[in-house]
Amino acid sequence: GQNIDQPTEMTATEGAIVQINCTYQTSGFNGLFWYQQHAGEAPTFLSYNVLDGLEEKGRFSSFLSRSKGYSYLLLKELQMKDSASYLCAVRMFGANNLFFGTGTRLTVIP
Amino acid sequence: KAGVTQTPRYLIKTRGQQVTLSCSPISGHRSVSWYQQTPGQGLQFLFEYFSETQRNKGNFPGRFSGRQFSNSRSEMNVSTLELGDSALYLCASSLNAGLDTQYFGPGTRLTVL
Repeated sequence: GQNIDQPTEMTATEGAIVQINCTYQTSGFNGLFWYQQHAGEAPTFLSYNVLDGLEEKGRFSSFLSRSKGYSYLLLKELQMKDSASYLCAVRMFGANNLFFGTGTRLTVIP
Repeated sequence: KAGVTQTPRYLIKTRGQQVTLSCSPISGHRSVSWYQQTPGQGLQFLFEYFSETQRNKGNFPGRFSGRQFSNSRSEMNVSTLELGDSALYLCASSLNAGLDTQYFGPGTRLTVL
């Protein structure tokens, strides 16, 4: 089966940097996704990693280490609107469905 | 380009009833996946359809079923509703299957009384 772990909650200050970690144990790994979900809304796609390394997209970056089963999402210059849940999801070979962690609820405080 | 749309957005049913939820993918997308989201379990995969065929199914009872039409629109059906079926049902579409990013619709909030 798949096992995906993320911290349940995090708090960070406006303007700061926060790193949300995700560890996974799975066979046939074929990519890791990060989604942002505001309360009562649909998850929105943030980033995708399939090879080791860092992917940067504006204030958001995502890192993957396949050998360690580890990823993180880095959010810079935090804004109040970044308060949301951040979902880590893994896809396996031969399937298009995603296996999600339970999500990390990030609260940005002034 | 319009995003994924789901109807209805909210639904209240009673135990034992059945319900049908609808999903229209992004234009040109051929793969549709359904997920159930609850506070306790998070997002869990229900099933995936591609070119009118179910490609993959999650670990849910047979009361949960779905189908996809030739225009890629998809429906899911839940029969004999139980209180535990109360959840946000999310549909996600992708261009093809296996390599493409999934984009989610706004979901249908189902409440079973």
